Amino acid sequence: AQSVAQPEDQVNVAEGNPLTVKCTYSVSGNPYLFWYVQYPNRGLQFLLKYITGDNLVKGSYGFEAEFNKSQTSFHLKKPSALVSDSALYFCALTGGSYIPTFGRGTSLIVHP
Amino acid sequence: DTEVTQTPKHLVMGMTNKKSLKCEQHMGHRAMYWYKQKAKKPPELMFVYSYEKLSINESVPSRFSPECPNSSLLNLHLHALQPEDSALYLCASSPVDMVGRTTQYFGPGTRLTVL
Repeated sequence: AQSVAQPEDQVNVAEGNPLTVKCTYSVSGNPYLFWYVQYPNRGLQFLLKYITGDNLVKGSYGFEAEFNKSQTSFHLKKPSALVSDSALYFCALTGGSYIPTFGRGTSLIVHP
Repeated sequence: DTEVTQTPKHLVMGMTNKKSLKCEQHMGHRAMYWYKQKAKKPPELMFVYSYEKLSINESVPSRFSPECPNSSLLNLHLHALQPEDSALYLCASSPVDMVGRTTQYFGPGTRLTVL
């Protein structure tokens, strides 16, 4: 069985400060990891994914994520947060299937 | 075109009504999905169609009936719903030829309220 954990329900950060949204995973095979963002009353939007190769993945809107196999983590980061980054963020994992397992979501609040 | 469209955006229905949700994509994706999402929760998978055939039904009550008329369209027929079925219903699509590596593309959702 595979699983995804997002340990924080909510992350608060001041505008201009760096942000991190945490994700850890468990899977028996190769992990394929994704981050999606959801703005209020909208569908999920793809941000970035790790399939293979470089452990640092760059995505949309200045976001990046670092894959760490030894710590089974895939944390989402951004060097300088914007108020417009405030949204719900989901980490997702696919293993041997094309059906993703989603984490419970982390609400990011960026304060002006 | 990397867009998944869903209609209607909002739907209010009574428990005895019959209504349908529609989803369309023109990216050539051969997997299409219905999800149900409650506020501030992750999407819950309901159905998956692969090559227009139902491949996964996550034990969804029969009052939800999916249909995939062709490779671009996905419908969800609703009948005799309960108030607890009120949620955001999301459609998504993805390729199926790169197992595990494929990105899902989501529509904006239909906000359903059952009175």
